[in-house]
Amino acid sequence: AQSVAQPEDQVNVAEGNPLTVKCTYSVSGNPYLFWYVQYPNRGLQFLLKYITGDNLVKGSYGFEAEFNKSQTSFHLKKPSALVSDSALYFCAVRDISFGNEKLTFGTGTRLTIIP
Amino acid sequence: DGGITQSPKYLFRKEGQNVTLSCEQNLNHDAMYWYRQDPGQGLRLIYYSQIVNDFQKGDIAEGYSVSREKKESFPLTVTSAQKNPTAFYLCASSSDRVGANYGYTFGSGTRLTVV
Repeated sequence: AQSVAQPEDQVNVAEGNPLTVKCTYSVSGNPYLFWYVQYPNRGLQFLLKYITGDNLVKGSYGFEAEFNKSQTSFHLKKPSALVSDSALYFCAVRDISFGNEKLTFGTGTRLTIIP
Repeated sequence: DGGITQSPKYLFRKEGQNVTLSCEQNLNHDAMYWYRQDPGQGLRLIYYSQIVNDFQKGDIAEGYSVSREKKESFPLTVTSAQKNPTAFYLCASSSDRVGANYGYTFGSGTRLTVV
């Protein structure tokens, strides 16, 4: 079975400071990992993904994430937070060894950037 | 531009009524999904379909029904058997074809309210 944990329901960061949103995963085989962002009353938007290759993945809006296989983590980071980054963030995993297309989502982390 | 269209954006249901939420995609994706999102909560999978004329129950299928008669369309019916249908409903699609994202593309959601 595949699962994802986002240990923090809420993260508050001052504008201009670096931000980190945590994600850990569990799969039997090799993972595909994703981050999505959701603004109020909207669908989820793709931010970035790890499929293979370089462990540091860069995505939209200046976000990046680092795949750490030994710690089974895929934390989302940004060097300098903007107020417009305030949103709900979801981590997702897919176990490619099962040959399925289903993603399993975390419960979400609400990121608030304080001006 | 290709994408997923959900309609209506807002829907009101009277007690005992069935209502149908529309989801159409022009991305040529094989797989489609329906999720339910409640306030402050993550995504819960209702139904998914990996091919036309076939679909599987997700984690919370009771009180819902779907059909997949065309590749582009995956409507969700919320039946009167669903006792607490007020929620935000998200449709998504995915593809494993060469060059695909390997993640999901989401619609903008339908907010269903029981009146």
